[in-house]
Amino acid sequence: GESVGLHLPTLSVQEGDNSIINCAYSNSASDYFIWYKQESGKGPQFIIDIRSNMDKRQGQRVTVLLNKTVKHLSLQIAATQPGDSAVYFCAESNFGNEKLTFGTGTRLTIIP
Amino acid sequence: DVKVTQSSRYLVKRTGEKVFLECVQDMDHENMFWYRQDPGLGLRLIYFSYDVKMKEKGDIPEGYSVSREKKERFSLILESASTNQTSMYLCASTPPGREGSYEQYFGPGTRLTVT
Repeated sequence: GESVGLHLPTLSVQEGDNSIINCAYSNSASDYFIWYKQESGKGPQFIIDIRSNMDKRQGQRVTVLLNKTVKHLSLQIAATQPGDSAVYFCAESNFGNEKLTFGTGTRLTIIP
Repeated sequence: DVKVTQSSRYLVKRTGEKVFLECVQDMDHENMFWYRQDPGLGLRLIYFSYDVKMKEKGDIPEGYSVSREKKERFSLILESASTNQTSMYLCASTPPGREGSYEQYFGPGTRLTVT
């Protein structure tokens, strides 16, 4: 996941703009990746996942891009809305191993 | 919808107390997980279980134990709570071996404060 630190990376985006949240992973053997959204006071909720045999996957207003060469994952949110304000986590796994290793998270704030 | 519930949203305990955190899922999932969440550190796996009475250590098991006597219930135990165990605790579950996805379903979390 993201580099470990004591402070949560933050991203502020104007409402209506697109958001891009990045995640670097370190395990070359990881072949499954997943993004979660955590709103204040709630548990993480699944957004989208991707396997390493894909470079891109799209959902509703979200796109995940995977660059295995540089071990980088990104989550793109189109036309961000106030309800997108949350902490976003990436997680990785080796397929067949049901444990997930989570990144440190990015706090996304939407500016009205 | 899958529902994962945790027994308490907020808990305050004293140093040295034995603490039980309960998690129940209603979808007959085999796999259950306990994480702790701290600012800037993300979610760290404490213990997980693939089946009743089975448990495996995660990345940070020290100071914790678990119990899984029934498939739907996974308990996290702090044998002697310490202030450094003040944290948000999250439980998750997932069915085994679903093709293409290892999505975990999370409960709402228990915020534990040890004083």
